[in-house]
Amino acid sequence: AQTVTQSQPEMSVQEAETVTLSCTYDTSESNYYLFWYKQPPSRQMILVIRQEAYKQQNATENRFSVNFQKAAKSFSLKISDSQLGDTAMYFCAFINTGNQFYFGTGTSLTVIP
Amino acid sequence: DVKVTQSSRYLVKRTGEKVFLECVQDMDHENMFWYRQDLGLGLRLIYFSYDVKMKEKGDIPEGYSVSREKKERFSLILESASTNQTSMYLCASSGRDRGTYSNQPQHFGDGTRLSIL
Repeated sequence: AQTVTQSQPEMSVQEAETVTLSCTYDTSESNYYLFWYKQPPSRQMILVIRQEAYKQQNATENRFSVNFQKAAKSFSLKISDSQLGDTAMYFCAFINTGNQFYFGTGTSLTVIP
Repeated sequence: DVKVTQSSRYLVKRTGEKVFLECVQDMDHENMFWYRQDLGLGLRLIYFSYDVKMKEKGDIPEGYSVSREKKERFSLILESASTNQTSMYLCASSGRDRGTYSNQPQHFGDGTRLSIL
């Protein structure tokens, strides 16, 4: 079975601080892709960052970066210089070669002014 | 930008009714997906489609069916709505690299909040 686990249902961070959201996954495949999605209170899900499993280098997108540990099957998201607009639900997702997406249960992040 | 449009933002139906949720994407994507989102459960895949007239069951297909008669449109059907189908429904689409399975991210619609009374 392929699963994605987000063990932190809720988190908060002070504005301008750094926060890390954790994600672990389970798969027997060697080639796959991992994603972090953000769902603000307006509800539309948008892509934050993507990581390809065969790439050693961690993906970065401006203030967002990942710590991808393939052996540990861990894929955490770091948000630097947190902004009020980062308040949202964050979902970790995994896609396998069967083109199926698996999502975690989400982490609700609140940025405190 | 990719646009995925869901026909209704909010919908209220009665138990036993047949309910249609429509989704249209404008990027010629091969793949389309229907999820339901419930608090504490994240997103659960109901059905997905790789191509016109193709459909595959996801994790929770019971009580649902789908239709993909045209590439841009993917419909979710609740054959006989029940109260436990009250939920947020999200449609998504993604492209596919030629000859391979997709590594492309999914693009989501705004969601339909469905209430079954």
